[in-house]
Amino acid sequence: EADIYQTPRYLVIGTGKKITLECSQTMGHDKMYWYQQDPGMELHLIHYSYGVNSTEKGDLSSESTVSRIRTEHFPLTLESARPSHTSQYLCASSPRGARSDTQYFGPGTRLTVL
Amino acid sequence: SQQGEEDPQALSIQEGENATMNCSYKTSINNLQWYRQNSGRGLVHLILIRSNEREKHSGRLRVTLDTSKKSSSLLITASRAADTASYFCATRVNNAGNMLTFGGGTRLMVKP
Repeated sequence: EADIYQTPRYLVIGTGKKITLECSQTMGHDKMYWYQQDPGMELHLIHYSYGVNSTEKGDLSSESTVSRIRTEHFPLTLESARPSHTSQYLCASSPRGARSDTQYFGPGTRLTVL
Repeated sequence: SQQGEEDPQALSIQEGENATMNCSYKTSINNLQWYRQNSGRGLVHLILIRSNEREKHSGRLRVTLDTSKKSSSLLITASRAADTASYFCATRVNNAGNMLTFGGGTRLMVKP
């Protein structure tokens, strides 16, 4: 079981609200990732970070933003949620060295925007 | 278009039978990984096979890789009801850092 946590697990909010999805890991991993996944579908990378103060956009265009002020923390923010943001958001991390290709996932946040 | 595609999209078998899932990809890869996802949960890493390897085993799992055909297969032997989950292949493309590209997954149901 990976030591990577996401809160909240479920969130139902109205259109226009600002939300922050939290992701924390206690494994000291440098690299962290955010994926978006619709039910039964593939994962799409929306943001990633190689370390503190490093953030990059992924393959899928997203209106969300991320920050990486501390190694263990990689929150994702939506300034104004819309129904099109309804999805599952998965956070992951990976270590340096020999196992750097393996990603460890959190349990996910299922977001519903009404 | 996505890098990895799994086949079949869904598979239903009886407990004790073997389950085989296939993954095809488009570009040269550094390695290919298989992950498992239980309903509504995050993914769990199962096994990684590098581009210079042809077969790898881990417990009841057997993975093969054919780089000439750009395909991989995951075999789960003697399946159990607890193996019911979605299985995703993920490829690390050459010169793409640690980025992984995931396929659409195979939903496996193992009936007791």
